[in-house]
Amino acid sequence: QSVLTQPPSVSGAPGQRVTISCTGSSSNIGGGYDVHWYQQLPGTAPKLLIYGNNNRPSGVPDRFSGSKSGTSASLAVTGLRAEDEADYYCQSYDRSLSGLVFGGGTKLTVL
Amino acid sequence: EVQLVESGGGLVKPGGSLRLSCAASGFTFSGHSLTWVRQAPGKGLEWVSSIGSSGSDIYYTDSVKGRFSISRDHAKNSLYLQMNSLRAEDTAVYYCARGGLYCTSGLCYTGYYGMDVWGQGTPVTVSS
Repeated sequence: QSVLTQPPSVSGAPGQRVTISCTGSSSNIGGGYDVHWYQQLPGTAPKLLIYGNNNRPSGVPDRFSGSKSGTSASLAVTGLRAEDEADYYCQSYDRSLSGLVFGGGTKLTVL
Repeated sequence: EVQLVESGGGLVKPGGSLRLSCAASGFTFSGHSLTWVRQAPGKGLEWVSSIGSSGSDIYYTDSVKGRFSISRDHAKNSLYLQMNSLRAEDTAVYYCARGGLYCTSGLCYTGYYGMDVWGQGTPVTVSS
């Protein structure tokens, strides 16, 4: 069981908007630690999608956005495209565990 | 091109040892923390270990403490993970990544820029 909780799966039709939640606690997200999001396409290594809660690395489309509030964070994907079908992971730091923590991952399916 | 390339994975018997390597290129190696992350078959990502830019700050997840050892060689621009007393549950693809865990004056946090460069991964299978 992951310290950061994500829904196992979300889905949406092309062009729609979906959000993926990442729920933590006061010892991680709620403690003020940054949240990052990673995209893992099938059979490939993870790729940084959002850093520092709401920032996109160069090359990441602005269809992807991140937010953080209290003990939770969210990833939003607008204008869904077939190539967005992947696993998405949130990541932060947990002071009780004294280490980095990941969410369990969310599989995004484009219908 | 900024790049990380892992090697050293393979099949090993329970109780055996393996040394993973991660060769870095295209950036100032000594200026970044580095991290190992693993992914068991069909499972999610799991943080394994991080090492600070100087090599003096080292951190492990509890399940590998006392068995795994992370190190880095600035002359060779390489990161290593020595894995001893391997167990079946260590079976995973192991990724090295730039960035990760930072600690200053006893306070630790995830770096603001996340883990922004990842290798392609090297598979480790622990089985008799």
